[in-house]
Amino acid sequence: GENVEQHPSTLSVQEGDSAVIKCTYSDSASNYFPWYKQELGKGPQLIIDIRSNVGEKKDQRIAVTLNKTAKHFSLHITETQPEDSAVYFCADMIYNQGGKLIFGQGTELSVKP
Amino acid sequence: DVKVTQSSRYLVKRTGEKVFLECVQDMDHENMFWYRQDPGLGLRLIYFSYDVKMKEKGDIPEGYSVSREKKERFSLILESASTNQTSMYLCASSPPVLEANQPQHFGDGTRLSIL
Repeated sequence: GENVEQHPSTLSVQEGDSAVIKCTYSDSASNYFPWYKQELGKGPQLIIDIRSNVGEKKDQRIAVTLNKTAKHFSLHITETQPEDSAVYFCADMIYNQGGKLIFGQGTELSVKP
Repeated sequence: DVKVTQSSRYLVKRTGEKVFLECVQDMDHENMFWYRQDPGLGLRLIYFSYDVKMKEKGDIPEGYSVSREKKERFSLILESASTNQTSMYLCASSPPVLEANQPQHFGDGTRLSIL
């Protein structure tokens, strides 16, 4: 079945630096790639997503890139702030499989003031 | 905004008990999902449902069942709770997949401990 690998599992950066989280997927039929942020005590919240017909998408300090040939996608956070500290999950979805998401293992991001 | 509400934030039960976890969404979404979240394993799909009275097994359905009698409510049932079912349980909902995949919206989770 489909598999999503996420790296690194933990990431510590200084406030103002950039953070990059990478994911790889295995099924070439995957066509939707959301990223979720989970703060302590809360459920995952969608922060950005990208579809397979797009190579890059930006939303203020957050960007996602997709390389379909290499089957990997990445989350980029610029000018990190302490409130960016959370666990981030990547996921992918294969069209015509009922909207099921396959999640990566998660990355715990810590932004130090 | 989509609101997915899970009835309990924390729950403590005993081995062998039948446990019900409830989830309600207010956006008239067709799809609903139950996941469990464990450290280092991410979120794993237990069961999902496309419509009322419909259910499909996810990746780890053993020891669980579900019920969807109304469109807005999706219940997860632990038939006979065991200690290895101690975990965080997350419910999600989404619109149907028509022309394009749709994001899932999550509740805040139920942390279940089985003693």
